[in-house]
Amino acid sequence: KAGVTQTPRYLIKTRGQQVTLSCSPISGHRSVSWYQQTPGQGLQFLFEYFSETQRNKGNFPGRFSGRQFSNSRSEMNVSTLELGDSALYLCASSLVGGVAYNEQFFGPGTRLTVL
Amino acid sequence: GENVEQHPSTLSVQEGDSAVIKCTYSDSASNYFPWYKQELGKRPQLIIDIRSNVGEKKDQRIAVTLNKTAKHFSLHITETQPEDSAVYFCAALGYGQNFVFGPGTRLSVLP
Repeated sequence: KAGVTQTPRYLIKTRGQQVTLSCSPISGHRSVSWYQQTPGQGLQFLFEYFSETQRNKGNFPGRFSGRQFSNSRSEMNVSTLELGDSALYLCASSLVGGVAYNEQFFGPGTRLTVL
Repeated sequence: GENVEQHPSTLSVQEGDSAVIKCTYSDSASNYFPWYKQELGKRPQLIIDIRSNVGEKKDQRIAVTLNKTAKHFSLHITETQPEDSAVYFCAALGYGQNFVFGPGTRLSVLP
């Protein structure tokens, strides 16, 4: 069974631009969560999608948005990029999410650098 | 909302010694506590987890203990090996909620 994939793996943008990241979950998984990982800040939760609906949302500004398609693939968009948005963006998929022992499987991440 | 603290932030042990990482959580409704290992340049991977109705779980050299009353849980690694060197994250999950992660512990196992 193929793992979680993310594209692109690396991205360089300039301030003010927008970016779209993509995540393809493991086949059959319906929950996709997005995290921002920066040194010293650990894994900060952005949002979770389940069956095309945003189910949970973290404390990030409205510049961060996402969506999920009927095949469970998910995209994350960041508009008006700021230098502080430079980070590794990880997505994770699970069967249904929000339930004990519903293991999350992480993708390799997209390394975003904002210049 | 849930808040997870993790200590220590860095830990160095001699090969063969034990390592202990502790996490505390704030939401008594949290009922699932996984631990992830992230090696340099790689994605986090689940190494062990525990549900709130269990006090301890062991898998070979790693074990997790949970104290619901005190709202803390710990990862124990025995007979550490160089390949145990990584960043370890604890997390807490409440039903229908999202995972909240601790800030991570960088473990270095010295030969």
